[in-house]
Amino acid sequence: DAKTTQPNSMESNEEEPVHLPCNHSTISGTDYIHWYRQLPSQGPEYVIHGLTSNVNNRMASLAIAEDRKSSTLILHRATLRDAAVYYCILCYYNQGGKLIFGQGTELSVKP
Amino acid sequence: DAGVIQSPRHEVTEMGQEVTLRCKPISGHNSLFWYRQTMMRGLELLIYFNNNVPIDDSGMPEDRFSAKMPNASFSTLKIQPSEPRDSAVYFCASTIITGTNTEAFFGQGTRLTVV
Repeated sequence: DAKTTQPNSMESNEEEPVHLPCNHSTISGTDYIHWYRQLPSQGPEYVIHGLTSNVNNRMASLAIAEDRKSSTLILHRATLRDAAVYYCILCYYNQGGKLIFGQGTELSVKP
Repeated sequence: DAGVIQSPRHEVTEMGQEVTLRCKPISGHNSLFWYRQTMMRGLELLIYFNNNVPIDDSGMPEDRFSAKMPNASFSTLKIQPSEPRDSAVYFCASTIITGTNTEAFFGQGTRLTVV
């Protein structure tokens, strides 16, 4: 299974943009890049996913490098409610869509 | 839809006892996953089902763990006998596998404590 590498922790100030990096140098051509986050005492929740092109939704933006070996999750204006562990995951759709979680990045947001 | 429903939310049991965790996936979803989360090991995939059939159980730690999915709306994860090192939060997730990529939905988890 291809792995992802993320910083263990990051800090942000409230209402400022946050860029969460992820390296996935062994990604294969059919792997989708997913981002999930886990708020304290909750199950993980989906944030965004993409294959090759940059993606936007109401929660965040996903910027994918041209060679697909890295990606960046962008929170445009961090709020205190965005404090969570963010996971970058490669999704294997030829294996039933299973998600293999790494250690993730713990994001703290300061008021 | 109420989302993925897990029960119980909390379970405290004595070492050696049988424990059964339950999961109701979102209606219409065709894949179901069981995860375990601990501080030491993070989120580990234990097993996943597609159309009620176990596809990959390589993450199941040992024979004390078993999982079933008798129909599309119910799954169980059983530990017999339970041990203190099984203490963790167990999550169930479901998704629908189509031609395009879609999100997985997680339940609130079952916090298991084995004393």
